[in-house]
Amino acid sequence: SQKIEQNSEALNIQEGKTATLTCNYTNYSPAYLQWYRQDPGRGPVFLLLIRENEKEKRKERLKVTFDTTLKQSLFHITASQPADSATYLCYGDKLIFGTGTRLQVFP
Amino acid sequence: DVKVTQSSRYLVKRTGEKVFLECVQDMDHENMFWYRQDPGLGLRLIYFSYDVKMKEKGDIPEGYSVSREKKERFSLILESASTNQTSMYLCASSSHRGTGTEAFFGQGTRLTVV
Repeated sequence: SQKIEQNSEALNIQEGKTATLTCNYTNYSPAYLQWYRQDPGRGPVFLLLIRENEKEKRKERLKVTFDTTLKQSLFHITASQPADSATYLCYGDKLIFGTGTRLQVFP
Repeated sequence: DVKVTQSSRYLVKRTGEKVFLECVQDMDHENMFWYRQDPGLGLRLIYFSYDVKMKEKGDIPEGYSVSREKKERFSLILESASTNQTSMYLCASSSHRGTGTEAFFGQGTRLTVV
């Protein structure tokens, strides 16, 4: 079945470092991927969209890549801050969400 | 400020009750969605709608139905609530003008069935 997989283990990093989150997809080829941020008890909020013909997209401290050979997207937060602590969700077309990865940035 | 509003943040219902979860969006979006979110399982799509009076089953429609009589409102109905429907329910909307348009989510309804 078509799937999007994210690392279910929490990612803990120190403030100022770059956080890198992974999204792998199987059994289909999404035309685009989106990344969302979700804080506890809230609905997800859209961050970035990357299409299959784009290698990389940036927005302020955020960068996302799309590698159709590896069937993978990487989401980077540079100069991470404690306020970046949240769960980050990957979403592909065909209405498929990944399970999300919780990021914890500590001072 | 664009908005998707869900009628309740927290709801406690008894087993066997008929439960209505309401969602309203003010962005004139064509698409509306209902998801449930459970720890370790992520967001799972229950039902979605691309237009008024249209509905499509998602991955887990059993035990649920929906209604979309007006463009701005999408209702999720639990016909006979059961304890395994205790969950966080999230409504979302998006425009279908262009591909990959972002989804806007409501604040969620935490439903507990006792």
